[in-house]
Amino acid sequence: DADVTQTPRNRITKTGKRIMLECSQTKGHDRMYWYRQDPGLGLRLIYYSFDVKDINKGEISDGYSVSRQAQAKFSLSLESAIPNQTALYFCATSDALRAGEGYTFGSGTRLTVV
Amino acid sequence: DAKTTQPPSMDCAEGRAANLPCNHSTISGNEYVYWYRQIHSQGPQYIIHGLKNNETNEMASLIITEDRKSSTLILPHATLRDTAVYYCIVRSPGAGSYQLTFGKGTKLSVIP
Repeated sequence: DADVTQTPRNRITKTGKRIMLECSQTKGHDRMYWYRQDPGLGLRLIYYSFDVKDINKGEISDGYSVSRQAQAKFSLSLESAIPNQTALYFCATSDALRAGEGYTFGSGTRLTVV
Repeated sequence: DAKTTQPPSMDCAEGRAANLPCNHSTISGNEYVYWYRQIHSQGPQYIIHGLKNNETNEMASLIITEDRKSSTLILPHATLRDTAVYYCIVRSPGAGSYQLTFGKGTKLSVIP
């Protein structure tokens, strides 16, 4: 099983719909992140969480919300999806005790808003 | 975080060593060099990181110049599965920003 699991892998939704992307991890890491990737723009940080009671906005949080239901679960919601939120979304984790170590990414969710 | 410069693409024959360069001339003393790769549309995969000493793990070796202004990622025996975009990132692990700035990276094509 993957260390960081994202569901769904692909999703097509209509403009105005609410959608939730889920992320769960078995790494035991305390820090979790949501990124989106658009062609030519690299990865951009949406939200991050250092523990269950800590949620922080990233570079592009407008139009998104998150919930850290448990140390292992971090979900991303689009309250009212719009077409320019069509992108590849990645969840990532890291370990605060090993701040110099790399991040572990999930396989991504490809979201299309029509 | 310091900016990095990488060639847009490289080819490597299967079984040969792939040497991927990265320039980071504005790196500061507390910044590490990280390498990730992304196989088409999959999640980025951490490869290796270092501060000033050369590093080696099961995936690759990282050579950092003495002045730390450039580095080279070495895949000792490239396989077709190593075809991916490779990203060099410079950042301080204790930095307040958690934005990983991937840039455009180097597209490595391993040729049979």
